[in-house]
Amino acid sequence: DAGVIQSPRHEVTEMGQEVTLRCKPISGHNSLFWYRQTMMRGLELLIYFNNNVPIDDSGMPEDRFSAKMPNASFSTLKIQPSEPRDSAVYFCASSPLAGQGFYEQYFGPGTRLTVT
Amino acid sequence: GQSLEQPSEVTAVEGAIVQINCTYQTSGFYGLSWYQQHDGGAPTFLSYNGLDGLEETGRFSSFLSRSDSYGYLLLQELQMKDSASYFCAVGRGQNFVFGPGTRLSVLP
Repeated sequence: DAGVIQSPRHEVTEMGQEVTLRCKPISGHNSLFWYRQTMMRGLELLIYFNNNVPIDDSGMPEDRFSAKMPNASFSTLKIQPSEPRDSAVYFCASSPLAGQGFYEQYFGPGTRLTVT
Repeated sequence: GQSLEQPSEVTAVEGAIVQINCTYQTSGFYGLSWYQQHDGGAPTFLSYNGLDGLEETGRFSSFLSRSDSYGYLLLQELQMKDSASYFCAVGRGQNFVFGPGTRLSVLP
């Protein structure tokens, strides 16, 4: 069974450019999460979806960040325009436990984003 | 809000037993989870405690005391491959947070 798939694995872009990160959750999982990890701030929850519906995006740092989940097998996290402080590793995770899924999450390999 | 405390680093030798502690403050408790993350890798789910007591999964065990707002991860028969960062996590919804992580170094 394939795990969570993220693309691209690495992204280098210039300040001001649009960045789109992609995620395919594990088939049958009902919850999807987007995280950001930096040395300074650790792992931060940005947004989560239950059954494709965004539940809470209060963790999204600014209006420059947006996330969508058009169907059960695909989600995107978009940053427009990107800034150097957005440089981080972005993880997508999924859980089979809708609503209760916070304690058992399966993470993708992450996208390492560098904004110059 | 939520806050968690973990030791920043722990060192042990192969074959030994190590305990990684986690204390938390939370406005609503929905259980304590543990994740492992190797350098350059993704967090991997290890265990979950919703109720007080010990949960055992192979060489790893996790303990929770809700009255003390405290839990720990116990790693037995340490192996070199256990060298990684270990995170506890609590909460639910946008109050879900990971701890700062404990970096475990296993020496030969």
